[in-house]
Amino acid sequence: DVKVTQSSRYLVKRTGEKVFLECVQDMDHENMFWYRQDPGLGLRLIYFSYDVKMKEKGDIPEGYSVSREKKERFSLILESASTNQTSMYLCASSPPGQGTTGELFFGEGSRLTVL
Amino acid sequence: GNSVTQMEGPVTLSEEAFLTINCTYTATGYPSLFWYVQYPGEGLQLLLKATKADDKGSNKGFEATYRKETTSFHLEKGSVQVSDSAVYFCALKVSYRRALTFGSGTRLQVQP
Repeated sequence: DVKVTQSSRYLVKRTGEKVFLECVQDMDHENMFWYRQDPGLGLRLIYFSYDVKMKEKGDIPEGYSVSREKKERFSLILESASTNQTSMYLCASSPPGQGTTGELFFGEGSRLTVL
Repeated sequence: GNSVTQMEGPVTLSEEAFLTINCTYTATGYPSLFWYVQYPGEGLQLLLKATKADDKGSNKGFEATYRKETTSFHLEKGSVQVSDSAVYFCALKVSYRRALTFGSGTRLQVQP
């Protein structure tokens, strides 16, 4: 079975802290994504990666960075957490070359609260 | 740019009622269209998809037809169950972009 695992389901951090959200997939997928989910706004793309050490900004990259040192692992980093980054963070992956289908496989999400 | 518009929720239905959740899109080119479902406390999972005009995606009693003329992909189910209570997301993907673009989600509540 396809598996995307996010290391923390729930986190509580303080303003100004550095936060790492980890995501691991076991499907040998090239593409990995970080979205944030907020009520009424749906899912918004923060960053994605299409290969090791390769990354591209999504629609809302401000305040975030990412790291992909190994194919199976994609990390989201909040350099200095702020209260407006309180949200649900979803990691996803997909293989390349699926034609136009592009199905994403999601992890269970990490709910981050910044106090 | 590309965008997806879904009807606002929550949608509250009684068990065995007919369900329609509206989804319209704006895209350059000919996107693939998806419905994802998120059950309470879980991540998103693919419910169904359609890759070209007039295709019908179906799964678990849910159906949606890709209508190019109306740029729509409405989700339907003939008889909902309490277990269908979840948040439903419509999404699109264009060939020149790796990521999916999602709608805002529609919460469905089914009462016994």
